[in-house]
Amino acid sequence: SQTIHQWPATLVQPVGSPLSLECTVEGTSNPNLYWYRQAAGRGLQLLFYSVGIGQISSEVPQNLSASRPQDRQFILSSKKLLLSDSGFYLCAYTPGETTYNEQFFGPGTRLTVL
Amino acid sequence: AQSVSQHNHHVILSEAASLELGCNYSYGGTVNLFWYVQYPGQHLQLLLKYFSGDPLVKGIKGFEAEFIKSKFSFNLRKPSVQWSDTAEYFCAVNKGSSNTGKLIFGQGTTLQVKP
Repeated sequence: SQTIHQWPATLVQPVGSPLSLECTVEGTSNPNLYWYRQAAGRGLQLLFYSVGIGQISSEVPQNLSASRPQDRQFILSSKKLLLSDSGFYLCAYTPGETTYNEQFFGPGTRLTVL
Repeated sequence: AQSVSQHNHHVILSEAASLELGCNYSYGGTVNLFWYVQYPGQHLQLLLKYFSGDPLVKGIKGFEAEFIKSKFSFNLRKPSVQWSDTAEYFCAVNKGSSNTGKLIFGQGTTLQVKP
């Protein structure tokens, strides 16, 4: 069966510190992978997506970057966090074998930048 | 650019009341439509989806949604809500022909059901 993991679940970081959030998917090959940020009252904003290893597309210019070093691993990073980076970060995937684009979401990471 | 608009930001209902949450999107081509739900403390999960065929789709827990192409709408309905339906609901859209599957989400609607 397919599953998606994210860690850490919560994170408190000082302004200016680096960030690394990890997402891994099991049970499917060549998934599409996505990073979203969820802000209260503003829905989910797509930050990055990837259709294959090393292929990253950015949707919103910002202080963050993403990488996909392995087929089922997606990493969200920052060299220096800003206060505005606080939020709830969700990773999602579309199974590689599907022709439709239903996305499955991970449990999320709550990031607080102080 | 595509956008999704959910008209109700916060809805409060009593148990057994009927529910309708509005969703409109702006894209003229073929679309796939989704409603996701996030129960308190849980993952975002799919409630129902429309890809093609019968525009009235049924999802889990008694929810249904109707795709009205002429109105660019995909409203969510439930005849009788329960306290356990308290959650945040998101409408989402992507292009039917997309190989990236990028979803555009609405702002979300918080539903509070009073027992």
